[in-house]
Amino acid sequence: DTEVTQTPKHLVMGMTNKKSLKCEQHMGHRAMYWYKQKAKKPPELMFVYSYEKLSINESVPSRFSPECPNSSLLNLHLHALQPEDSALYLCASSRLGGPMNTEAFFGQGTRLTVV
Amino acid sequence: AQTVTQSQPEMSVQEAETVTLSCTYDTSESDYYLFWYKQPPSRQMILVIRQEAYKQQNATENRFSVNFQKAAKSFSLKISDSQLGDAAMYFCAYRFSTGNQFYFGTGTSLTVIP
Repeated sequence: DTEVTQTPKHLVMGMTNKKSLKCEQHMGHRAMYWYKQKAKKPPELMFVYSYEKLSINESVPSRFSPECPNSSLLNLHLHALQPEDSALYLCASSRLGGPMNTEAFFGQGTRLTVV
Repeated sequence: AQTVTQSQPEMSVQEAETVTLSCTYDTSESDYYLFWYKQPPSRQMILVIRQEAYKQQNATENRFSVNFQKAAKSFSLKISDSQLGDAAMYFCAYRFSTGNQFYFGTGTSLTVIP
């Protein structure tokens, strides 16, 4: 299984809503990532979890709250978002250390629209 | 700062022809991995090819090959016999061997003309 599964694929939410994005992988990867991507732009790193601990937070506003309940799951909790937060949110995972399989595996993303 | 430069925002190629996408990067590290990712309109980022910086031999994957010039910090992607399904955004990226962060270039949008 070389898949990273993200749900939902599409999400429309109001600025006062609370929602969560979910990401799951069963490749035994111990690094998991959240990226935000605008159209025709590269992914922007938001958070990195290493061994289920938050290792990188790229100064993301507190209305985005990540959670890593276990080594297979990654959540992104959303609250009081702004229209400019509308984007494609990508989850990825990778091995930590070692020379093999060093790439990141990406999910299909959640297309988020904030209204 | 770790930077990856893709100087061609857009490229086009005739079907069955060959195209080369350029990428340069800036790092003081000596041990790292380089990647080309493809992102079609379906939006999933898919690994095209990977190169270990310690390997002198250029990586190849079927119709895809790279020209890795470590001293010049250059990592170009050659697509041979281009197909309509190759149309996508292509991102160059690298990762340090000791780190868990990926650094992405700005992307090249490839159009394949039938």
